[in-house]
Amino acid sequence: SAVISQKPSRDICQRGTSLTIQCQVDSQVTMMFWYRQQPGQSLTLIATANQGSEATYESGFVIDKFPISRPNLTFSTLTVSNMSPEDSSIYLCSTGTGTSGRLGTQYFGPGTRLTVL
Amino acid sequence: QKEVEQDPGPLSVPEGAIVSLNCTYSNSAFQYFMWYRQYSRKGPELLMYTYSSGNKEDGRFTAQVDKSSKYISLFIRDSQPSDSATYLCAMSVGAAGNKLTFGGGTRVLVKP
Repeated sequence: SAVISQKPSRDICQRGTSLTIQCQVDSQVTMMFWYRQQPGQSLTLIATANQGSEATYESGFVIDKFPISRPNLTFSTLTVSNMSPEDSSIYLCSTGTGTSGRLGTQYFGPGTRLTVL
Repeated sequence: QKEVEQDPGPLSVPEGAIVSLNCTYSNSAFQYFMWYRQYSRKGPELLMYTYSSGNKEDGRFTAQVDKSSKYISLFIRDSQPSDSATYLCAMSVGAAGNKLTFGGGTRVLVKP
């Protein structure tokens, strides 16, 4: 299975500021995903990030608010811009295994717990 | 109506009992079905994945998929207090390169 790390593990930020979350995978993967988990809720996909192309955003999420970088096959960042208290959530990255992808095996990082005051 | 419905619980069982979890879904295009376990303040951990209909067993865990009824289940035998967590079902149209649609999660408490 892929080992995924995220930085920071948690942060408390002031409204109007931005935070960049890093996701590192221990092997090369084609696709990486960013999810949001609001308090007491399930996971909602923000965007899909492929190396070398623009991220694909889900309905309700826009690039200006959640810019994503994917500079290589083991790393991605998600920035939460111009934050408001409604952005307080856990942000998780995930990935399938291998550059070809494998059935069903999407693994998650430990998450970044963000609180916006 | 949500694409994937899951009873939020909490589901409380005594140690050693069988835990029965399920999800229903509306999108008949889903072909890949997963169960994740999430402990408090941790990321989801993949437990089981199944393609199409059928059963799959792994140790104390059994996953069942009934595509005709759009219904999936997870059974945990001989439950332990360490099984206390939130269990999330997830589904996708394609394989690992496709987005997952999650149920809301069921909180399970196994009492010693």
